Amino acid sequence: GAVVSQHPSRVICKSGTSVKIECRSLDFQATTMFWYRQFPKQSLMLMATSNEGSKATYEQGVEKDKFLINHASLTLSTLTVTSAHPEDSSFYICSARTSGNEQYFGPGTRLTVT
Amino acid sequence: RKEVEQDPGPFNVPEGATVAFNCTYSNSASQSFFWYRQDCRKEPKLLMSVYSSGNEDGRFTAQLNRASQYISLLIRDSKLSDSATYLCVVAYNTNAGKSTFGDGTTLTVKP
Repeated sequence: GAVVSQHPSRVICKSGTSVKIECRSLDFQATTMFWYRQFPKQSLMLMATSNEGSKATYEQGVEKDKFLINHASLTLSTLTVTSAHPEDSSFYICSARTSGNEQYFGPGTRLTVT
Repeated sequence: RKEVEQDPGPFNVPEGATVAFNCTYSNSASQSFFWYRQDCRKEPKLLMSVYSSGNEDGRFTAQLNRASQYISLLIRDSKLSDSATYLCVVAYNTNAGKSTFGDGTTLTVKP
């Protein structure tokens, strides 16, 4: 299957700082990428749809000014958690969609805000 | 009612057993269907796509019933390594290709 990388895999930051997470599709071009969040023992929650060359589409209840998404190229999307707080601590996962609607996921980023 | 519904389980089965998961979806415009597996604290991995004609990959068989709007996954000869959460996923060619994930069914295969 296709390969998606995500960096960093783990980050610990202090409250009030910003964290940037990168998602790359390594062997295919993805016009659409998705950002999810998952709390322990809970389902994946879609945060936003990242579209190359245009603004991201956010799900209801997700603050676009707090979770900044930039889809700079057909292989790279970034999620920046601005002014992070402890309640933002979670597992953030990106995925890239192929033309066949299959989604391939990055390995995830475990964010801990202290 | 959720767009994609799965029996959360857990399913606890002995090695070698056959186990089946079902998933129902509510949007009849759904066009693509998938099963993913997710191991604890890991990302979901695509297990198989689901086609109207049904498809098989080794011990795994997936079927789609569009009339009844459900998808199934059958695992034969369960292995310990099959223990995971299995996610049913439905995608739409409209709505920016957004997919809807079920909450997952947890399977534990025991020796």
